[in-house]
Amino acid sequence: EADIYQTPRYLVIGTGKKITLECSQTMGHDKMYWYQQDPGMELHLIHYSYGVNSTEKGDLSSESTVSRIRTEHFPLTLESARPSHTSQYLCASSVGGFTGELFFGEGSRLTVL
Amino acid sequence: GNSVTQMEGPVTLSEEAFLTINCTYTATGYPSLFWYVQYPGEGLQLLLKATKADDKGSNKGFEATYRKETTSFHLEKGSVQVSDSAVYFCALSPNNAGNMLTFGGGTRLMVKP
Repeated sequence: EADIYQTPRYLVIGTGKKITLECSQTMGHDKMYWYQQDPGMELHLIHYSYGVNSTEKGDLSSESTVSRIRTEHFPLTLESARPSHTSQYLCASSVGGFTGELFFGEGSRLTVL
Repeated sequence: GNSVTQMEGPVTLSEEAFLTINCTYTATGYPSLFWYVQYPGEGLQLLLKATKADDKGSNKGFEATYRKETTSFHLEKGSVQVSDSAVYFCALSPNNAGNMLTFGGGTRLMVKP
């Protein structure tokens, strides 16, 4: 069983609010990722990190930002939420070497009214 | 660029039926191939993988064979159960890209008793 946790699981907020989605893992993994999953289920990589103080943008452009101050923590922030940000956000982590195995959290479903 | 194409769902089967979910890919070089599964309300988890041509990945009765000549990695199971109802994602990772996965659009499987 993977030890990666996301909070909140569900969030409904109004336009213009600032939100932070939390992601923590207890496996000591160096690599962490944020995926956006649209209603059609397709997954798009929006951010990733190779380790502390490392953050990169993924394939899909996103207005969100991330930080990696501690190995176990990789929060995602939206400064001003809009209805177009409504989606499911999945956090994942993996070991440093190549295995192809990502461990996913249960996701945060965000609805912006 | 890299891409993964899966058959569209939903796929609806009766219990004990044979399952095939098609997956084809486009990539340069020799990628590694994966199947991930997402059960309702949960994050994705690795189901099986194959890292070179003609390799067969298998787990929980599911299997898939890496076919380089047809650039395919079809998922099969001889006898599905209601508990197999989930969304299945095919994915690839170029061997020089660490754990950067490109996912297909997902295929929802519904198994009826």
